[in-house]
Amino acid sequence: DAGVIQSPRHEVTEMGQEVTLRCKPISGHDYLFWYRQTMMRGLELLIYFNNNVPIDDSGMPEDRFSAKMPNASFSTLKIQPSEPRDSAVYFCASSSTSGGVNEQFFGPGTRLTVL
Amino acid sequence: GEDVEQSLFLSVREGDSSVINCTYTDSSSTYLYWYKQEPGAGLQLLTYIFSNMDMKQDQRLTVLLNKKDKHLSLRIADTQTGDSAIYFCAGADSWGKLQFGAGTQVVVTP
Repeated sequence: DAGVIQSPRHEVTEMGQEVTLRCKPISGHDYLFWYRQTMMRGLELLIYFNNNVPIDDSGMPEDRFSAKMPNASFSTLKIQPSEPRDSAVYFCASSSTSGGVNEQFFGPGTRLTVL
Repeated sequence: GEDVEQSLFLSVREGDSSVINCTYTDSSSTYLYWYKQEPGAGLQLLTYIFSNMDMKQDQRLTVLLNKKDKHLSLRIADTQTGDSAIYFCAGADSWGKLQFGAGTQVVVTP
């Protein structure tokens, strides 16, 4: 398996622009998580899905952020409009409920820079 | 929810043992985890311990769990330069979400 795939790996955009981050989870996994990592705030859980349904979006910072999971193999995180304080590394992770151990498999991340 | 705290930085000489400490608040976690993040990469599960165990050993790694004090530690024996990374401890809150600590930056010097 290729693991969790994220695109793009790097994104540089200007304030006010729309940004879309993409994630392909590991096949067969039923949980998908979006995290944001910054030096100041560490690793923050933004939202997670179970069987394509959003379960908890309490970590989404503002209405400017939205996430979708139209099918089991694809998810997007959109920021519209983007602001400089959104600059961070965004990780997608997936996991399976089987086995008991809650191992999350992380993608390589998307480094977002908003100018 | 779960609150996880860990020291932010650790410097260790190559060949020595490293000990990374973590405290947590929610005792309902069935498992407690250690994740490793290498530069420019996502987190990767390093090891975990079942909550009814006191200790788990896995090659150079030893995990100790003190449930009474809600204290978790990770010991790395014979630390190598490849062990330089950020280490996160994590527990699951009552809804099953992983709650990560802030991460401990481990720097291994020759």
